[in-house]
Amino acid sequence: QKEVEQDPGPLSVPEGAIVSLNCTYSNSAFQYFMWYRQYSRKGPELLMYTYSSGNKEDGRFTAQVDKSSKYISLFIRDSQPSDSATYLCAMTGASKIIFGSGTRLSIRP
Amino acid sequence: EPEVTQTPSHQVTQMGQEVILRCVPISNHLYFYWYRQILGQKVEFLVSFYNNEISEKSEIFDDQFSVERPDGSNFTLKIRSTKLEDSAMYFCASKDTEWGYNEQFFGPGTRLTVL
Repeated sequence: QKEVEQDPGPLSVPEGAIVSLNCTYSNSAFQYFMWYRQYSRKGPELLMYTYSSGNKEDGRFTAQVDKSSKYISLFIRDSQPSDSATYLCAMTGASKIIFGSGTRLSIRP
Repeated sequence: EPEVTQTPSHQVTQMGQEVILRCVPISNHLYFYWYRQILGQKVEFLVSFYNNEISEKSEIFDDQFSVERPDGSNFTLKIRSTKLEDSAMYFCASKDTEWGYNEQFFGPGTRLTVL
């Protein structure tokens, strides 16, 4: 079983739609759960992180973690064409980061 | 705003040649990392480095790889004898402490092409 699984997409939605991105994981030792955005041939850029289970909101972005199900989600409200990118879920105990494969998202104007 | 820098942005080399990828972490950071991303695949952890020692390495980081902090600012990844499958983006990252969650700041990457 892979440590982190993420649907690679691509996912294409119209502008203004709510986007839901998800990952599952297998390692119970993970404590911090992150979402990164990555543009082509660029380094990952941290969007937000969550510690343990729960929700965290930052503007149009909401991250959810359910440790009992080993399932994390990122919701994007009122999606904009500028949100088009690859979104990587990631998790860590405290040191090395384990990344999902990324979901390529395209927001159609 | 402080940032991690990497040079070169693109390195082309012949199979079997040695390459050194360079990184300048954020100045007050103490923990350093290398990751790689083969085109179309996930970002993978290679190695972590603290206090002039490797603290953890992955299965990918075999004897062909080495890391060094030769001075107070640079952090390097050396690949001794490059293989075709070493072609990838290599990202350096740094953070200031291990306590709790602290963001690893990623550099823009070096694209390594092995011919």
